[in-house]
Amino acid sequence: AQRVTQPEKLLSVFKGAPVELKCNYSYSGSPELFWYVQYSRQRLQLLLRHISRESIKGFTADLNKGETSFHLKKPFAQEEDSAMYYCALSGNSGYALNFGKGTSLLVTP
Amino acid sequence: EPEVTQTPSHQVTQMGQEVILRCVPISNHLYFYWYRQILGQKVEFLVSFYNNEISEKSEIFDDQFSVERPDGSNFTLKIRSTKLEDSAMYFCASTGDNYGYTFGSGTRLTVV
Repeated sequence: AQRVTQPEKLLSVFKGAPVELKCNYSYSGSPELFWYVQYSRQRLQLLLRHISRESIKGFTADLNKGETSFHLKKPFAQEEDSAMYYCALSGNSGYALNFGKGTSLLVTP
Repeated sequence: EPEVTQTPSHQVTQMGQEVILRCVPISNHLYFYWYRQILGQKVEFLVSFYNNEISEKSEIFDDQFSVERPDGSNFTLKIRSTKLEDSAMYFCASTGDNYGYTFGSGTRLTVV
């Protein structure tokens, strides 16, 4: 069975501080993992996907198959990073996304 | 940049009524989805649609729900005999074959 776990419901950091949003998953095959961001009253937006290994808005995420984790990191948080962040897993192309419960990131000045 | 369009943005309906939520996916995408998010809870998968038929559905997607692609552009979710617990934000999404899931801005359904 697929499962995505985001252990932190709320994460509050100061501007300029490093931030790490945790995501752990369970899946028997080779998963595709994503991070989505939802700014206040806006749609879900794709932030990162592990297959592209890119950095968006200073965020990175590395898939660690040994620890079954896909933590989202940013070295210096900005106030505009405040949003809801969802980790999601998909088994194959076209398959449904299974979302974690989300972590609300609050960056304070 | 292409967008997934959802209408209406907010719908209020009386319990027991039928509602149809509409979505226009990105034109060259192949897979279409509906998700819902009850206030304060996670985003939940409802159904996926490919090649004019349901390819996957969750246990939430029971006989109360149906989806249709009535023409080449629209993708609809019909909820029959709505219940209070159907109140949620409903998101449509589409993707091609490159994992480019794109979500619409959602329809907030309020059942009273």
